[in-house]
Parts: sequence; structure tokens; C-alpha cells
Amino acid sequence: SAVISQKPSRDICQRGTSLTIQCQVDSQVTMMFWYRQQPGQSLTLIATANQGSEATYESGFVIDKFPISRPNLTFSTLTVSNMSPEDSSIYLCSVGGQGGNEQYFGPGTRLTVT
Amino acid sequence: ILNVEQSPQSLHVQEGDSTNFTCSFPSSNFYALHWYRWETAKSPEALFVMTLNGDEKKKGRISATLNTKEGYSYLYIKGSQPEDSATYLCAFRSSQAGTALIFGKGTTLSVSS
Repeated sequence: SAVISQKPSRDICQRGTSLTIQCQVDSQVTMMFWYRQQPGQSLTLIATANQGSEATYESGFVIDKFPISRPNLTFSTLTVSNMSPEDSSIYLCSVGGQGGNEQYFGPGTRLTVT
Repeated sequence: ILNVEQSPQSLHVQEGDSTNFTCSFPSSNFYALHWYRWETAKSPEALFVMTLNGDEKKKGRISATLNTKEGYSYLYIKGSQPEDSATYLCAFRSSQAGTALIFGKGTTLSVSS
């Protein structure tokens, strides 16, 4: 399994501002994923980030709102831009396991937008 | 639109009780079904990855079954303990959608001592 850390663990932000969330993995991984869970909703995939290529966004998510960086095989960032209260969520990064089927998650970033 | 449903949404049991939850998922284009255990402020913990119809997996007091033809999976906890209190998530992976996991909303279990 992979050990994943995220920063910050939580934050309270003003609407209209942006927040960058960092995800660090203890081993090199090809695929990293960013999910969010809005209150009362399911965990939903935002995008898949592969090192050396543009992130692939799921329907309903766009790069201007959620720009992602993937500078190397152990690190990624997700920025939540021009935040509104609807962006209040838990944001999690995830990586694929060696076996191909597993996905491991970070502890999440709890974001509140006021 | 792929939909994953979990029931019940929440439940409260006494220590020592056995309990089970249900996950319903699309019965077509099945690739894998994941179960996770998620405690507040911690990472979701992978419990099982199930790929074959009829699969039954066990980890300590927790076990899971899989029926891909009818599109459901059961998670069982035998002799619940307070430390089992968490939200249990299931996630469906389609053979048509790459590596994306489609999650249910989870079942939140509370175990009283």
C-alpha cells in the first residue's frame, strides 16, 4: 500500500479566493486521482493526473476551476479557484496500487468557503 | 449515468451485534467492486477489492460477498465493536470507464458499548 499525506488538512476560505491542496506519496506512482465529497454526497472523481501530461477531467469539472499540477511521480497539487460556498467539500487525492485494482487515499482536506 | 446505492444510510447497533450493509451497482460492464472503511479525519481504508461473481472475502470479523449478475454486494460485520464505528463506502469500477471509481454515499455505522 501507499502512504499519502495532504496539506492543509483543513481550511476556511473567503469566497472569491483560491486554495492549493498538496498531495505527497511515499513511493513513485503513475496515476494520481483527485476526488471531492460535498456534504451528503458521494465521493466524486474530479480528474486523473498522470506525470508528464495534462490532467483528464471528468464531466462537470474544468481546468480553469480546478487546475492540477503533477511535476513528478510522488507529488501533485489541486487548486480550487475563485471559490464559492458550493466548493465546501472534502478533497482527497488517491493513487493506484501496484496490483492495478487497488486505490489508496490520502486523509483529505476539509474546505469550508464562507 | 452509473449509479451506486448503499443501504441503510446509517445504523446504530450495540456492541456484540452482527450487522450487514448492501451495495447495489450496475450489473453490466462490471470490472471490480471496492469496499472502504472511512473514519473521520483519516484516510479511507481499503477493505476488499472484489472482481469475480460469487466472490466471498474475509478480513477478521468483516466479510463481503459479490453478485455481479444481479448487481449487489453485502458487507457483514460479526460481533460489532465500538472501533468498527465508521462510514463504509462501496465503489464500482466499470470495464468501460478506465480506472474511475463510482462511489455510493456510504453507510455510517455507530456501535455503542
